[in-house]
Amino acid sequence: SAVISQKPSRDICQRGTSLTIQCQVDSQVTMMFWYRQQPGQSLTLIATANQGSEATYESGFVIDKFPISRPNLTFSTLTVSNMSPEDSSIYLCSVGDWQSEQYFGPGTRLTVT
Amino acid sequence: GQNIDQPTEMTATEGAIVQINCTYQTSGFNGLFWYQQHAGEAPTFLSYNVLDGLEEKGRFSSFLSRSKGYSYLLLKELQMKDSASYLCAVYNAGNNRKLIWGLGTSLAVNP
Repeated sequence: SAVISQKPSRDICQRGTSLTIQCQVDSQVTMMFWYRQQPGQSLTLIATANQGSEATYESGFVIDKFPISRPNLTFSTLTVSNMSPEDSSIYLCSVGDWQSEQYFGPGTRLTVT
Repeated sequence: GQNIDQPTEMTATEGAIVQINCTYQTSGFNGLFWYQQHAGEAPTFLSYNVLDGLEEKGRFSSFLSRSKGYSYLLLKELQMKDSASYLCAVYNAGNNRKLIWGLGTSLAVNP
């Protein structure tokens, strides 16, 4: 199993600003993922954070808007840049292989005003 | 396209049995997950089915039929704490391998 922490747990931000979300895992993991969950919606994968290389982004998400860092095997950050109210959502990091259980962090609840 | 369908909401009574269905149409299939998500919390893993049939784990069971593109989650002896959203997710190991998530079924367990 893996224990994941995220910071901040919630934030209220003004449009046009940026927020960096941190994800810390208690053990070394190969695969880390960033998801978005908007109210009443499903989990949407933003990107896979790769250690030592650029993140792999899903369709509809770009590096300029959601830059990701993965400096080591236990830590990653997701930045939500130039925010708009449409970015209001819960952002979740998770770890795990595709064919096994994924462990999720507690989430970061972001409100953009 | 890729599509996963689940009922939006279900209601059941404490002590009863409830079945939550999930149908999927995906370009590839390499397994199906069920997760539980309580309000304001992160999803937690319940089950993973790769082969057809029923997998039982305590009060929870999950069934898969690959030929029908169908799965269900069966919850027995319902407890109030089972009130949560239940998410179905399909793993597709194709060229763009990833998990495809359903919208989730919100289950309310009443006394």
